[in-house]
Amino acid sequence: AQSVTQLGSHVSVSEGALVLLRCNYSSSVPPYLFWYVQYPNQGLQLLLKYTTGATLVKGINGFEAEFKKSETSFHLTKPSAHMSDAAEYFCAVTSGRTGANNLFFGTGTRLTVIP
Amino acid sequence: NAGVTQTPKFQVLKTGQSMTLQCAQDMNHEYMSWYRQDPGMGLRLIHYSVGAGITDQGEVPNGYNVSRSTTEDFPLRLLSAAPSQTSVYFCASRRASGGEETQYFGPGTRLLVL
Repeated sequence: AQSVTQLGSHVSVSEGALVLLRCNYSSSVPPYLFWYVQYPNQGLQLLLKYTTGATLVKGINGFEAEFKKSETSFHLTKPSAHMSDAAEYFCAVTSGRTGANNLFFGTGTRLTVIP
Repeated sequence: NAGVTQTPKFQVLKTGQSMTLQCAQDMNHEYMSWYRQDPGMGLRLIHYSVGAGITDQGEVPNGYNVSRSTTEDFPLRLLSAAPSQTSVYFCASRRASGGEETQYFGPGTRLLVL
């Protein structure tokens, strides 16, 4: 079974500051990991994903995440926050190997950017 | 491409009423799924389908039915609505080739059950 834990349901940063959103996963097989962003009253949009290969993954809007197997983590970072980054962010995991490969989501982290 | 579309955008029901949430995709994706989003709980999988004629239960299937008669459509039925089903519902689709495929989400249906 797969699951993810997102530490911190709310994170506030100042505009221009580093953004760090934490995600730890649990999986009995090598995972595929995703970060999605949800802007108010909208659906989810893919930011980035890790499947195989390079463990540092770059996504849209300047975000990146690093897959660390030893720490079972996939934290999302951005060097400098913009006001437009204010949204809710979801980490998700799938096994990617057998069965239907359903996607399991964390509980989300709401990012507030302070001017 | 319209991507994943959902109707209605917003619905109010009384307890015991039935309704169908519509979902359609025009990307010829084999896999489709329904999630519900509740505050502090993230997205939870209700039902999913890996192709026409094939459906299965997710984490929270009770109170919901689905069918998949075509590749494009995956409706979600509430047979007898309950206040606990007040939520935002998202439909998603992707290619079925593997878990690495990106899942695309619709804009959501906000449901209020009184």
